[in-house]
Amino acid sequence: GQQLNQSPQSMFIQEGEDVSMNCTSSSIFNTWLWYKQDPGEGPVLLIALYKAGELTSNGRLTAQFGITRKDSFLNISASIPSDVGIYFCAGRDSGNTPLVFGKGTRLSVIA
Amino acid sequence: DAGITQSPRHKVTETGTPVTLRCHQTENHRYMYWYRQDPGHGLRLIHYSYGVKDTDKGEVSDGYSVSRSKTEDFLLTLESATSSQTSVYFCAISTRDNNEQFFGPGTRLTVL
Repeated sequence: GQQLNQSPQSMFIQEGEDVSMNCTSSSIFNTWLWYKQDPGEGPVLLIALYKAGELTSNGRLTAQFGITRKDSFLNISASIPSDVGIYFCAGRDSGNTPLVFGKGTRLSVIA
Repeated sequence: DAGITQSPRHKVTETGTPVTLRCHQTENHRYMYWYRQDPGHGLRLIHYSYGVKDTDKGEVSDGYSVSRSKTEDFLLTLESATSSQTSVYFCAISTRDNNEQFFGPGTRLTVL
């Protein structure tokens, strides 16, 4: 079946630093979604991408839909302590298929 | 907030007992999903529904059944719970032609 490789698995950064993480797929996707999960809660949708090459921002977060349609990137600028959590990417190849999820990137921010 | 609630939020049960988890939505979305989340495995799809009485299996459906008799409710049943089904279970819904997907708060299930 389809697989998403998300990297890095975890990262420790200093407050104020920028963060980059990415997902790659073995097949083409038509939708990419990025989520954040805080401890004890459900994943929260951060950004949705629908077109190859699309670059979308949500505050300090910016995500891109790769032009090959097999990858996506999430950047966080000027990290703050509340950015701590697990970030998931998810993709879908058509409107009727379930999302495929990456295994997550655990972000820790050192004040 | 996509109007998703899950009940119970926490449950401890014994091996061999039946367990039913409920997902309720208030906004008439067509697609609903059940996932389990375990360390090292991320989110794995158990079953999903694309309408009342229309369901399909996900990647980890063995030992689970689902029912959807009303648009707003999607039930996940463990007919005979096993310790390997100890997990956090999330319900989700999809909006607008099955694109954006939103999650409920989760149910933590412990099978002793």
